[in-house]
Amino acid sequence: TQLLEQSPQFLSIQEGENLTVYCNSSSVFSSLQWYRQEPGEGPVLLVTVVTGGEVKKLKRLTFQFGDARKDSSLHITAAQPGDTGLYLCAGWSMLDAGNMLTFGGGTRLMVKP
Amino acid sequence: DVKVTQSSRYLVKRTGEKVFLECVQDMDHENMFWYRQDPGLGLRLIYFSYDVKMKEKGDIPEGYSVSREKKERFSLILESASTNQTSMYLCASSFPQVGGREAFFGQGTRLTVV
Repeated sequence: TQLLEQSPQFLSIQEGENLTVYCNSSSVFSSLQWYRQEPGEGPVLLVTVVTGGEVKKLKRLTFQFGDARKDSSLHITAAQPGDTGLYLCAGWSMLDAGNMLTFGGGTRLMVKP
Repeated sequence: DVKVTQSSRYLVKRTGEKVFLECVQDMDHENMFWYRQDPGLGLRLIYFSYDVKMKEKGDIPEGYSVSREKKERFSLILESASTNQTSMYLCASSFPQVGGREAFFGQGTRLTVV
Protein backbone atom coordinates (compact mmCIF):
# COMPACT_ATOMS: atom_id res chain seq x y z
CA THR A 1 0.00 0.00 0.00
CA GLN A 2 1.36 3.39 -0.99
CA LEU A 3 -0.13 5.94 1.36
CA LEU A 4 -0.67 9.61 0.66
CA GLU A 5 -1.27 11.80 3.70
CA GLN A 6 -2.92 15.16 3.24
CA SER A 7 -2.93 18.04 5.68
CA PRO A 8 -4.84 19.81 6.93
CA GLN A 9 -7.99 17.71 6.79
CA PHE A 10 -10.22 20.79 7.16
CA LEU A 11 -9.59 24.44 6.45
CA SER A 12 -11.98 27.34 6.98
CA ILE A 13 -10.70 30.76 5.92
CA GLN A 14 -11.93 34.21 4.95
CA GLU A 15 -12.09 35.40 1.37
CA GLY A 16 -8.79 36.94 0.31
CA GLU A 17 -6.56 34.79 2.53
CA ASN A 18 -3.82 32.52 1.22
CA LEU A 19 -3.56 28.83 2.03
CA THR A 20 -1.38 25.79 1.42
CA VAL A 21 -2.41 22.14 1.38
CA TYR A 22 0.22 19.42 1.72
CA CYS A 23 0.38 15.89 0.38
CA ASN A 24 3.12 13.60 1.71
CA SER A 25 4.21 10.02 1.22
CA SER A 26 7.13 7.74 1.97
CA SER A 27 6.75 6.28 -1.54
CA VAL A 28 7.94 7.60 -4.88
CA PHE A 29 5.26 8.23 -7.49
CA SER A 30 5.76 8.43 -11.24
CA SER A 31 3.41 11.42 -11.27
CA LEU A 32 1.12 13.21 -8.88
CA GLN A 33 -2.24 14.83 -9.51
CA TRP A 34 -4.61 17.16 -7.72
CA TYR A 35 -8.36 16.77 -8.09
CA ARG A 36 -11.25 18.86 -6.84
CA GLN A 37 -14.61 17.40 -5.91
CA GLU A 38 -17.93 19.22 -5.58
CA PRO A 39 -20.83 17.75 -3.56
CA GLY A 40 -22.70 15.05 -5.49
CA GLU A 41 -20.05 14.84 -8.22
CA GLY A 42 -16.96 12.80 -8.94
CA PRO A 43 -13.49 14.37 -8.61
CA VAL A 44 -12.24 16.46 -11.53
CA LEU A 45 -8.57 16.85 -12.44
CA LEU A 46 -6.91 20.20 -11.73
CA VAL A 47 -3.27 19.45 -12.59
CA THR A 48 -0.65 16.74 -13.13
CA VAL A 49 2.98 17.13 -12.07
CA VAL A 50 5.52 14.69 -13.42
CA THR A 51 9.06 15.95 -12.86
CA GLY A 52 10.67 16.27 -9.44
CA GLY A 53 10.80 19.95 -8.45
CA GLU A 54 8.19 20.90 -11.03
CA VAL A 55 6.00 23.92 -10.34
CA LYS A 56 2.76 24.57 -12.23
CA LYS A 57 0.48 27.58 -11.98
CA LEU A 58 -3.21 27.67 -12.75
CA LYS A 59 -4.41 31.25 -12.22
CA ARG A 60 -4.38 31.65 -8.40
CA LEU A 61 -3.38 28.02 -7.78
CA THR A 62 0.27 26.94 -7.59
CA PHE A 63 1.22 23.27 -7.52
CA GLN A 64 4.63 21.89 -6.63
CA PHE A 65 6.08 18.37 -6.88
CA GLY A 66 8.85 17.58 -4.40
CA ASP A 67 12.36 16.93 -5.68
CA ALA A 68 12.19 13.29 -4.60
CA ARG A 69 8.69 12.86 -6.15
CA LYS A 70 7.22 11.81 -2.80
CA ASP A 71 5.29 14.94 -1.86
CA SER A 72 3.37 17.84 -3.32
CA SER A 73 1.73 21.07 -2.25
CA LEU A 74 -1.16 23.18 -3.47
CA HIS A 75 -1.08 26.90 -2.72
CA ILE A 76 -4.08 29.15 -3.31
CA THR A 77 -3.59 32.91 -3.38
CA ALA A 78 -6.42 35.26 -2.42
CA ALA A 79 -8.97 32.49 -1.92
CA GLN A 80 -12.51 33.07 -3.12
CA PRO A 81 -15.81 31.44 -2.08
CA GLY A 82 -15.82 29.62 -5.42
CA ASP A 83 -12.70 27.73 -4.29
CA THR A 84 -14.77 25.93 -1.64
CA GLY A 85 -14.65 22.17 -2.12
CA LEU A 86 -12.78 18.95 -1.42
CA TYR A 87 -9.20 18.87 -2.72
CA LEU A 88 -7.62 15.46 -3.28
CA CYS A 89 -4.07 14.57 -4.18
CA ALA A 90 -3.48 11.34 -6.07
CA GLY A 91 -0.33 9.46 -7.10
CA TRP A 92 0.24 7.15 -10.05
CA SER A 93 2.31 4.03 -9.46
CA MET A 94 3.57 1.81 -12.25
CA LEU A 95 3.23 -1.84 -11.31
CA ASP A 96 4.20 -5.08 -13.06
CA ALA A 97 0.50 -5.42 -13.82
CA GLY A 98 -1.02 -2.11 -14.80
CA ASN A 99 -1.00 1.31 -13.21
CA MET A 100 -2.55 2.16 -9.87
CA LEU A 101 -3.96 5.54 -8.84
CA THR A 102 -3.94 6.13 -5.07
CA PHE A 103 -5.67 9.04 -3.36
CA GLY A 104 -4.99 10.96 -0.19
CA GLY A 105 -7.59 11.58 2.49
CA GLY A 106 -8.61 14.96 1.10
CA THR A 107 -8.69 18.54 2.40
CA ARG A 108 -12.11 20.12 2.80
CA LEU A 109 -11.78 23.85 2.15
CA MET A 110 -14.41 26.42 3.04
CA VAL A 111 -13.89 30.03 1.99
CA LYS A 112 -16.25 32.45 3.71
CA PRO A 113 -17.24 35.72 2.03
CA ASP B 1 -18.06 14.75 -24.12
CA VAL B 2 -16.34 12.00 -22.14
CA LYS B 3 -18.55 9.93 -19.95
CA VAL B 4 -18.37 7.46 -17.10
CA THR B 5 -21.82 6.26 -16.12
CA GLN B 6 -22.71 4.44 -12.95
CA SER B 7 -25.95 2.51 -13.02
CA SER B 8 -27.51 3.96 -9.85
CA ARG B 9 -27.11 7.18 -7.86
CA TYR B 10 -28.72 5.72 -4.74
CA LEU B 11 -29.16 2.12 -3.64
CA VAL B 12 -30.58 0.56 -0.48
CA LYS B 13 -29.89 -3.12 0.13
CA ARG B 14 -30.38 -5.55 2.98
CA THR B 15 -27.59 -7.24 4.90
CA GLY B 16 -26.56 -10.48 3.21
CA GLU B 17 -27.79 -9.51 -0.26
CA LYS B 18 -25.55 -9.82 -3.30
CA VAL B 19 -25.12 -6.36 -4.78
CA PHE B 20 -23.97 -5.40 -8.28
CA LEU B 21 -22.66 -1.92 -9.08
CA GLU B 22 -22.19 -1.28 -12.77
CA CYS B 23 -19.90 1.22 -14.48
CA VAL B 24 -19.69 1.97 -18.20
CA GLN B 25 -17.24 4.29 -19.99
CA ASP B 26 -17.37 5.47 -23.58
CA MET B 27 -13.76 6.62 -23.99
CA ASP B 28 -12.12 3.28 -24.93
CA HIS B 29 -10.01 3.49 -21.77
CA GLU B 30 -7.88 0.51 -20.77
CA ASN B 31 -7.82 1.32 -17.05
CA MET B 32 -10.89 1.17 -14.85
CA PHE B 33 -11.07 1.63 -11.08
CA TRP B 34 -13.50 1.18 -8.19
CA TYR B 35 -13.11 3.34 -5.09
CA ARG B 36 -15.15 3.85 -1.97
CA GLN B 37 -15.30 7.27 -0.35
CA ASP B 38 -15.92 7.79 3.35
CA PRO B 39 -15.66 11.07 5.28
CA GLY B 40 -12.08 11.84 6.29
CA LEU B 41 -10.69 8.81 4.45
CA GLY B 42 -10.59 10.18 0.93
CA LEU B 43 -10.92 7.65 -1.89
CA ARG B 44 -9.76 4.13 -1.11
CA LEU B 45 -9.02 1.81 -4.02
CA ILE B 46 -10.96 -1.45 -3.97
CA TYR B 47 -9.99 -3.03 -7.31
CA PHE B 48 -8.67 -1.91 -10.65
CA SER B 49 -8.44 -3.41 -14.11
CA TYR B 50 -5.96 -2.60 -16.87
CA ASP B 51 -7.50 -4.76 -19.58
CA VAL B 52 -10.45 -7.02 -20.33
CA LYS B 53 -10.62 -9.92 -17.85
CA MET B 54 -7.63 -8.53 -15.93
CA LYS B 55 -8.08 -7.36 -12.35
CA GLU B 56 -5.82 -6.32 -9.52
CA LYS B 57 -6.57 -5.83 -5.83
CA GLY B 58 -6.38 -2.36 -4.42
CA ASP B 59 -6.02 -1.41 -0.78
CA ILE B 60 -9.37 -2.73 0.53
CA PRO B 61 -10.56 -5.69 -1.61
CA GLU B 62 -12.03 -7.77 1.23
CA GLY B 63 -15.73 -8.43 0.78
CA TYR B 64 -15.70 -7.31 -2.87
CA SER B 65 -15.10 -8.86 -6.26
CA VAL B 66 -15.07 -7.41 -9.78
CA SER B 67 -15.77 -8.43 -13.32
CA ARG B 68 -14.56 -6.98 -16.61
CA GLU B 69 -15.87 -9.00 -19.53
CA LYS B 70 -15.95 -6.06 -21.96
CA LYS B 71 -13.57 -3.13 -22.23
CA GLU B 72 -16.22 -0.52 -21.54
CA ARG B 73 -17.83 -2.16 -18.49
CA PHE B 74 -16.45 -2.78 -15.00
CA SER B 75 -18.70 -4.29 -12.35
CA LEU B 76 -18.22 -4.26 -8.59
CA ILE B 77 -19.86 -7.10 -6.66
CA LEU B 78 -20.57 -7.21 -2.97
CA GLU B 79 -20.89 -10.94 -2.36
CA SER B 80 -22.82 -10.58 0.90
CA ALA B 81 -23.51 -6.97 1.78
CA SER B 82 -22.77 -5.81 5.30
CA THR B 83 -23.56 -2.55 7.09
CA ASN B 84 -19.87 -1.53 7.09
CA GLN B 85 -20.05 -1.45 3.29
CA THR B 86 -22.44 1.51 3.46
CA SER B 87 -20.52 4.14 1.54
CA MET B 88 -20.21 6.22 -1.62
CA TYR B 89 -18.77 4.14 -4.46
CA LEU B 90 -16.96 5.86 -7.32
CA CYS B 91 -15.91 4.36 -10.63
CA ALA B 92 -13.16 5.90 -12.77
CA SER B 93 -11.41 5.18 -16.06
CA SER B 94 -8.25 6.34 -17.81
CA PHE B 95 -5.78 5.57 -20.54
CA PRO B 96 -2.62 3.76 -19.45
CA GLN B 97 -0.52 5.97 -17.21
CA VAL B 98 2.20 7.64 -19.25
CA GLY B 99 3.15 11.00 -17.78
CA GLY B 100 0.08 10.88 -15.59
CA ARG B 101 -3.20 10.46 -17.43
CA GLU B 102 -6.41 12.03 -16.24
CA ALA B 103 -8.87 9.74 -14.49
CA PHE B 104 -12.51 10.44 -15.32
CA PHE B 105 -15.07 9.69 -12.67
CA GLY B 106 -18.71 8.77 -12.59
CA GLN B 107 -21.09 10.62 -10.29
CA GLY B 108 -20.99 7.90 -7.67
CA THR B 109 -23.42 5.42 -6.15
CA ARG B 110 -24.45 6.02 -2.57
CA LEU B 111 -25.08 2.56 -1.15
CA THR B 112 -26.86 2.03 2.13
CA VAL B 113 -26.92 -1.46 3.63
CA VAL B 114 -29.60 -1.93 6.28
